[in-house]
Amino acid sequence: QSALTQPASVSGPPRQSITISCTGTSSDVGGYNYVSWYQQHPGKAPKLMIYEVGNRPSGVPDRFSGSKSGNTASLTISGLQPEDEADYYCSSYTSTSTPVIFGGGTKVTVL
Amino acid sequence: QVQLQESGPGLVRPSETLSLTCTFSGWPISNYYWSWIRQPPGKGLEWIGYSHESGRTNYAPSLKSRVTMSVDTSKNQLSLKLTSVTAADTAVYYCARREHGERFEYWGQGTLVTVSS
Repeated sequence: QSALTQPASVSGPPRQSITISCTGTSSDVGGYNYVSWYQQHPGKAPKLMIYEVGNRPSGVPDRFSGSKSGNTASLTISGLQPEDEADYYCSSYTSTSTPVIFGGGTKVTVL
Repeated sequence: QVQLQESGPGLVRPSETLSLTCTFSGWPISNYYWSWIRQPPGKGLEWIGYSHESGRTNYAPSLKSRVTMSVDTSKNQLSLKLTSVTAADTAVYYCARREHGERFEYWGQGTLVTVSS
């Protein structure tokens, strides 16, 4: 099964907002509200930032928000901070041969 | 707090078996599904599979013929075995606790396994 589709890179200056898209199909993103987003700094394990489309785990800043429309989910970082520079991965429950599928990842650069 | 720590050989020869252990602390290991996820150098995340103390497992179709996972509640350990490895299996291997909705809130720090002669 193909990975969810994310842009390879997104960038923005500090304090601005950026949005990362994650496009799937009706068998995954579009069919279920089980989309998660992970932040990964170099050499570190992924960190859960958003789950079930728009929920934040305890301790995640509220400048991170998630949404979904049709087969595309989005992660928005409002008020970009230097420490937000990292790779971001989306994932979704899928009703196909595996229960979860990841996106290819998006490198966020703070200009 | 919940902590996971992967361990195992960092170098495995082609055609041999990769064996990793994940030791868990901070929460009962029972009643959860535990996953292994890998990340080839410079690439994205790939779900390998999950296992439960009951013995129930689910593996990625692309790896199913080569993967075995298990949970040992007496040792608070998870294990991963991947047979007949090739260079394509070179990756950082993570263990993670699966939560409702197929999200992973707790991860190990990861361990790099290189397949090379």
